Amino acid sequence: SQQGEEDPQALSIQEGENATMNCSYKTSINNLQWYRQNSGRGLVHLILIRSNEREKHSGRLRVTLDTSKKSSSLLITASRAADTASYFCATGRGSTLGRLYFGRGTQLTVWP
Amino acid sequence: GAVVSQHPSWVICKSGTSVKIECRSLDFQATTMFWYRQFPKQSLMLMATSNEGSKATYEQGVEKDKFLINHASLTLSTLTVTSAHPEDSSFYICSAREAGGPTGWQYFGPGTRLTVT
Repeated sequence: SQQGEEDPQALSIQEGENATMNCSYKTSINNLQWYRQNSGRGLVHLILIRSNEREKHSGRLRVTLDTSKKSSSLLITASRAADTASYFCATGRGSTLGRLYFGRGTQLTVWP
Repeated sequence: GAVVSQHPSWVICKSGTSVKIECRSLDFQATTMFWYRQFPKQSLMLMATSNEGSKATYEQGVEKDKFLINHASLTLSTLTVTSAHPEDSSFYICSAREAGGPTGWQYFGPGTRLTVT
């Protein structure tokens, strides 16, 4: 990937369980964003966390950011079958005026 | 709001021909648009940054003469794959930043699947 790595690469859980995905990156960032992609489709922006923030919530989503470890996590609580998708983290760097660099993604499968 | 469209959604072309892909912001003005390509089961790779009225900025390793980008208006950017080869087959996705919008936010198009035979 151009910037980050997600783990796990694939995650398979039952409906109702929580799903946690991690993202690590290598350089300093302005912000980190999480996106979702359904198979063969474009990306949907989920949440953005700035480098001076540590945690952010949006509905069933919780994102944490640890800039000292250069890592972030995305937690989806009470997962649903409709959450099945690929999830990518992307980092925005200060010197690159809005360019985003994506990790390899985590394929999440939620079984009903 | 903040819808980005791409046209076509899929295209098949013969090796050696050129293909143009359009990216439009439908309900907002986009000073900056980005082009990515994505191989199956892989991540998005940023190809270039397109600013309205100026030359595109290409990422390292991306051939600017092969992937021509034009951002003629605040709502339209085009990517032309010239002299396409089978290895150019990929999923091309554009995104757009809204002028004056939340810093860092990008809105993505649905993608264009290119197959070169």
